[in-house]
Amino acid sequence: AQSVTQLDSQVPVFEEAPVELRCNYSSSVSVYLFWYVQYPNQGLQLLLKYLSGSTLVKSINGFEAEFNKSQTSFHLRKPSVHISDTAEYFCAVSFSGGYNKLIFGAGTRLAVHP
Amino acid sequence: EAGVTQFPSHSVIEKGQTVTLRCDPISGHDNLYWYRRVMGKEIKFLLHFVKESKQDESGMPNNRFLAERTGGTYSTLKVQPAELEDSGVYFCASSQAGTYYDEQFFGPGTRLTVL
Repeated sequence: AQSVTQLDSQVPVFEEAPVELRCNYSSSVSVYLFWYVQYPNQGLQLLLKYLSGSTLVKSINGFEAEFNKSQTSFHLRKPSVHISDTAEYFCAVSFSGGYNKLIFGAGTRLAVHP
Repeated sequence: EAGVTQFPSHSVIEKGQTVTLRCDPISGHDNLYWYRRVMGKEIKFLLHFVKESKQDESGMPNNRFLAERTGGTYSTLKVQPAELEDSGVYFCASSQAGTYYDEQFFGPGTRLTVL
């Protein structure tokens, strides 16, 4: 069975500081990895995904994540956060043979303070 | 293009009552998914429709939950009778294809509170 662990439920950080949101997964088959973001009072939005190829993937708003197969991790990073990055971030996996079912972690609340 | 919409945004009901949640997917998306998040825990998959057929309903918790998608357009999720543990946020998502790499577009969710 597949599972996703987000190691931090809340991450407070000051504006312009770097941040890392951690995600580890467990699976006996190949997985495909996603980060979704939920801003207040909105639905989840896809931030970035890893399917194959380069293990470093980037979003349009400065976030990046690196797939590390040996450590079964897909940590999300941003070198300098803004107040507008305050949101809840969800790591998720899908897997071939699982149709398109997403398995989510419990989420990490990122709070950016001025 | 309109996104995924869900109705109502909030619902408060008494234990034992019935509630029906509605989801309108993005036009043209054959694949529709229901997920649920209980009390700050992980978001859990409930089921997946392809058009009007149930592709995967492995996440449905019990037979008090009934999902339908008549005509392959909008979907409803009925909880009857509701129990306290059914409280949570119910998300709907849709995608054009049903492959494991296809992006799912999520609605804002329906927050259900069972008293």
